[in-house]
Amino acid sequence: SAVISQKPSRDICQRGTSLTIQCQVDSQVTMMFWYRQQPGQSLTLIATANQGSEATYESGFVIDKFPISRPNLTFSTLTVSNMSPEDSSIYLCSVEKIGRDGYTFGSGTRLTVV
Amino acid sequence: LAKTTQPISMDSYEGQEVNITCSHNNIATNDYITWYQQFPSQGPRFIIQGYKTKVTNEVASLFIPADRKSSTLSLPRVSLSDTAVYYCLVGDDLSFQKLVFGTGTRLLVSP
Repeated sequence: SAVISQKPSRDICQRGTSLTIQCQVDSQVTMMFWYRQQPGQSLTLIATANQGSEATYESGFVIDKFPISRPNLTFSTLTVSNMSPEDSSIYLCSVEKIGRDGYTFGSGTRLTVV
Repeated sequence: LAKTTQPISMDSYEGQEVNITCSHNNIATNDYITWYQQFPSQGPRFIIQGYKTKVTNEVASLFIPADRKSSTLSLPRVSLSDTAVYYCLVGDDLSFQKLVFGTGTRLLVSP
């Protein structure tokens, strides 16, 4: 399975600012996924990022708020723009299934907006 | 993607066997059943996957009846470190399939 490095692991940000989260994979993957996990809740898919094309966003998530970059097959970024306290969550990246061990997730970025 | 229903929480003690049942009445012919485990401050981790009957690995067993409308994750002799949230997911066994997480089951193992 792949190994994912996600940065930062946590951050406290002022409302109105933006934060870019990085996801680095140790192998080339076609698909990367970004999830949000609000406190005490399950994971919700934000978007799917395919290298070389625009990300595909799920209902309720828009590119202006969560722009995503996917410059190559091992890296992606998610930006949380114009943050408000409601954006306080854990953001996780994931990559496609490799082998028989299911999908791999990063350890997440815990974002607190004050 | 088939919807899943799990108990919100379960309590157990060290050394006991824990069985978590997931209901998926609308499972499709091509769908597999996959379980993930999530510890606090970590991303979900794949535990086990199955299509029918029984699957066993070094971590858990997965029991799937003939009608496949439910499945049971069995954790033998749990320890404190098995305290986590367990998610049951149902979908195609495709590399690019986006995962849809339900509420999960919060398992608390006590001494």
